[in-house]
Amino acid sequence: AQRVTQPEKLLSVFKGAPVELKCNYSYSGSPELFWYVQYSRQRLQLLLRHISRESIKGFTADLNKGETSFHLKKPFAQEEDSAMYYCALRHSGGSNYKLTFGKGTLLTVNP
Amino acid sequence: EPEVTQTPSHQVTQMGQEVILRCVPISNHLYFYWYRQILGQKVEFLVSFYNNEISEKSEIFDDQFSVERPDGSNFTLKIRSTKLEDSAMYFCASSEGYFRGRLANEKLFFGSGTQLSVL
Repeated sequence: AQRVTQPEKLLSVFKGAPVELKCNYSYSGSPELFWYVQYSRQRLQLLLRHISRESIKGFTADLNKGETSFHLKKPFAQEEDSAMYYCALRHSGGSNYKLTFGKGTLLTVNP
Repeated sequence: EPEVTQTPSHQVTQMGQEVILRCVPISNHLYFYWYRQILGQKVEFLVSFYNNEISEKSEIFDDQFSVERPDGSNFTLKIRSTKLEDSAMYFCASSEGYFRGRLANEKLFFGSGTQLSVL
């Protein structure tokens, strides 16, 4: 069965420090991975997806099929990065967005 | 940017009562979804809806749940007889899906959620 694991519930770093939010997945098919972010009092929104290989707000994430990981990284954290981050896996096939989410990591960036 | 809107933002109901959660997906989107998040737990898929019918549903989406697109703009989730364990944040979402034979825009847009409290 598909599973997404985010081992850290809470992560606290200082401004300017590097940050890595961990995500591991279990899926028998070809996975499609995403990071969603929820800022305080705002809706869930897509941060980035592995197929785009993009960098959004300085964040990057590389899909490592050998380690079944999709860790989110940023070299220099900013206070405005404080938010809840969810890793999600999309089930392959069609255009249906059935996502399996991890439990989320609350990132706090301290001044 | 267009948004998915959900009403109400909070709903309090008595156990056993019926509730209807409302959503207005983005106008040119073809796929509609409901997800929920029980406090402290992960966001869970409930159901997807395409072409006026359910395309997929999870084991959570039992006979107490139903979805409907009563007109060209609204998408509703009905819980027939609420239970205490139905208390959660319910998120509506929509995606553009396939358009003219190709995946037009691979992005899922979420509403801001309805917090349902069953007493």
